[in-house]
Amino acid sequence: AQSVAQPEDQVNVAEGNPLTVKCTYSVSGNPYLFWYVQYPNRGLQFLLKYITGDNLVKGSYGFEAEFNKSQTSFHLKKPSALVSDSALYFCAVRVGRSNDYKLSFGAGTTVTVRA
Amino acid sequence: NAGVTQTPKFRVLKTGQSMTLLCAQDMNHEYMYWYRQDPGMGLRLIHYSVGEGTTAKGEVPDGYNVSRLKKQNFLLGLESAAPSQTSVYFCASSYSTPSRLAFLLYNEQFFGPGTRLTVL
Repeated sequence: AQSVAQPEDQVNVAEGNPLTVKCTYSVSGNPYLFWYVQYPNRGLQFLLKYITGDNLVKGSYGFEAEFNKSQTSFHLKKPSALVSDSALYFCAVRVGRSNDYKLSFGAGTTVTVRA
Repeated sequence: NAGVTQTPKFRVLKTGQSMTLLCAQDMNHEYMYWYRQDPGMGLRLIHYSVGEGTTAKGEVPDGYNVSRLKKQNFLLGLESAAPSQTSVYFCASSYSTPSRLAFLLYNEQFFGPGTRLTVL
């Protein structure tokens, strides 16, 4: 079965420090990977995706993610975290048939950025 | 554009009661989805639809029914609510196309603000 795992329930960093949120995947074939963010009492917002091409993907709000095929990882990164980045982050992978656009989500990682 | 909207935002039910959650999107998306979000479990797919008049089961379909009579609306029904259905429900929609290029460009899902349901 195709799935993603987020090994950390929580990540705490100080403002201005680098932020990394980890995600590993298990898929057969080429993975289509996504990151979403959920701010308190809001729906999920798309951050970025990896479909093909460059292993470093740039997305919204200064976030980027690095696809690593040998380590089956797709970690989300931000060079300098802001207090406003405090939120719940989800990694997801597309599952299903070629025209079946379903996503399987990880359990989520709560990011807290302290001032 | 309003994007994806959900009604109601909050609801409290008693065990055995029924209700319908409404999702509407104004982006002309073919695909629509219903998820539930529970602490520590991420989002789990309940049902989804690949077009008007078609629905399919997701990961956790039991106790729920859906209908997609109009392209822009996707309804989630609970016929006899149970406390285990206490959750936050999210609707999402996405563009679909047989074109691989268009899929690469436009395939992310757009989410509504959620409905918080409590079943007593």
